[in-house]
Amino acid sequence: KQEVTQIPAALSVPEGENLVLNCSFTDSAIYNLQWFRQDPGKGLTSLLLIQSSQREQTSGRLNASLDKSSGRSTLYIAASQPGDSATYLCAVKENSGYSTLTFGKGTMLLVSP
Amino acid sequence: GAVVSQHPSRVICKSGTSVKIECRSLDFQATTMFWYRQFPKQSLMLMATSNEGSKATYEQGVEKDKFLINHASLTLSTLTVTSAHPEDSSFYICSASGLVSSDTQYFGPGTRLTVL
Repeated sequence: KQEVTQIPAALSVPEGENLVLNCSFTDSAIYNLQWFRQDPGKGLTSLLLIQSSQREQTSGRLNASLDKSSGRSTLYIAASQPGDSATYLCAVKENSGYSTLTFGKGTMLLVSP
Repeated sequence: GAVVSQHPSRVICKSGTSVKIECRSLDFQATTMFWYRQFPKQSLMLMATSNEGSKATYEQGVEKDKFLINHASLTLSTLTVTSAHPEDSSFYICSASGLVSSDTQYFGPGTRLTVL
């Protein structure tokens, strides 16, 4: 059974710092991996999706990498801002089509001014 | 595009009552909808997968008779928590996948259920 782990569970940084969030998964046979953002009491916002054949994806200040063989992904946030404060969730999809996502518990990020 | 809504966003009910949560795909046809539950500081846990017009598939440990799921149309799925108890208090999130983009799940904003 696929298990997804995210480290650290919580992270507090001053504004302007670059930071890395980590995600690992036990079964490397994945279809894709996705990073989400969740604000308190809210739903999920998709940030980046990396297909299993890809190594990384970038969107603005965010960069996600995928090392499928080692079962790891990282989310890099450059020049962090207070508005980046949220919980970041990593999820893997094991098959194409209508298959489910397996989520990690998330990393709670606090960026202080 | 690809917007999913949930109603209500928050609900408080007394123990023993039933609560219905709606999940709607607003601008696409959702052939498959997923229901997740999230406890504080925990991951999203899949409860069930529903396909339009057929019975939902429940994950191990999820009681079918307690969490009734109906996916009667291509734009609406409902989750009914029957005889709710305080331990059912949680954040319930739905997601939907459509014909055109079966690989992608679009998430609703979630429903906060509090059972007193």
